[in-house]
Amino acid sequence: SYELTQPPSVSVSPGQTARITCSGDALPNQFAYWYQQKPGRAPLLLIYKDSERPSGIPARFSGSTSGTTVTLTISGVQAEDEADYYCQSPNSGYTSWVFGGGTKLTVL
Amino acid sequence: QVQLVESGGGVVQPGVSLRLSCEASGFTFSSYGMHWVRQAPGKGLEWVASIWYDGTDKYHADSVKGRFTISRDNSKNTLFLQMNSLRAEDTAVYYCARENPVDGGLWGWGQGTLVTVSS
Repeated sequence: SYELTQPPSVSVSPGQTARITCSGDALPNQFAYWYQQKPGRAPLLLIYKDSERPSGIPARFSGSTSGTTVTLTISGVQAEDEADYYCQSPNSGYTSWVFGGGTKLTVL
Repeated sequence: QVQLVESGGGVVQPGVSLRLSCEASGFTFSSYGMHWVRQAPGKGLEWVASIWYDGTDKYHADSVKGRFTISRDNSKNTLFLQMNSLRAEDTAVYYCARENPVDGGLWGWGQGTLVTVSS
């Protein structure tokens, strides 16, 4: 079955750059989406179609892709960015939408 | 303003059935594909099921296939998840979410409803 792999945790100091990766065999052919989830809250879409940002999402959030890996980059990390981050992508037939296991971002 | 409100969760025993509802407002419900996503306590997000805007196509995760069924009533702006033969591992917060028909992705989410399966 289709899988997306994320690191369980990433830690950065305020003001630094955080990079969260997501790997999957189908990612060269399918768009990836990134979500932020804070405790007790529903997920929030951060990035769509690998690198596009919905209106209202701060510019410090960006996405990129290279081969079988997509990356969420958070530049100038702020304390409020501490959250869980998930990648998601459909399979080639759009019959299944897989989430990565999630990455907990800790702001030191 | 897009609003999705889930209901129907609760505490149930293994083996019983439950139907979740998601009432939509603030947008043309019949124009959007919809999804159910769940999150077990302390765990990550798991996609459960999706349905086309008109209900003609439906897809379910392998973990729920044959037990859960997604459906919708566009005349009532409501999404459903019929859950049969519930198991302890189905315990989770269940979210409904709206898919962007052009760009993909889940752009609107409900607040979730908790389903607890326990004897």
